[in-house]
Amino acid sequence: KNQVEQSPQSLIILEGKNCTLQCNYTVSPFSNLRWYKQDTGRGPVSLTIMTFSENTKSNGRYTATLDADTKQSSLHITASQLSDSASYICVVSAQGYSTLTFGKGTMLLVSP
Amino acid sequence: DGGITQSPKYLFRKEGQNVTLSCEQNLNHDAMYWYRQDPGQGLRLIYYSQIVNDFQKGDIAEGYSVSREKKESFPLTVTSAQKNPTAFYLCASSISGIMNTEAFFGQGTRLTVV
Repeated sequence: KNQVEQSPQSLIILEGKNCTLQCNYTVSPFSNLRWYKQDTGRGPVSLTIMTFSENTKSNGRYTATLDADTKQSSLHITASQLSDSASYICVVSAQGYSTLTFGKGTMLLVSP
Repeated sequence: DGGITQSPKYLFRKEGQNVTLSCEQNLNHDAMYWYRQDPGQGLRLIYYSQIVNDFQKGDIAEGYSVSREKKESFPLTVTSAQKNPTAFYLCASSISGIMNTEAFFGQGTRLTVV
């Protein structure tokens, strides 16, 4: 069964600090991995999408890494801002299928 | 502006009533999806459509129905058969049904049964 596990479940950091969120998956055959940011009561917004051959991808202060061998990904947030407070969702797609497997998300709270 | 629009943002339903959630996109995407989001859970797929006049059940289709008469529209009906309909509903679209393409989400509809 395809699964995506995220850790930690929730995280509180001080404004200006860095943090790293983790994602482990068992989706096979792997097609791509995405990270989404979801503000409370809003729809998810894409941060990065990574294919098998990509190890690192950045989007401003967000940097995602992918290790396809160990089936792990991380999302690193640099110099956090209050607006980074949100749920971060790891999503994996399998080749040839029309559906995605979603993690439960990591709830990040950036405190002043 | 191009995008995907869900309406209404908030919806209240009495027990035993059917309600329809609207999802419209002007991105010219072939594929559209409905997800349900509950607290502490990942998004779960209700229905998806890869092309006009075709749709497939997702993981939790019971108590829901959809139609795809137009490329830009994919309404979801929550029927009285859905035992626990209170949730946050998200519509998404992508260029094609082969999910190596980006998926764009609407802003969601929060449905509450009163």
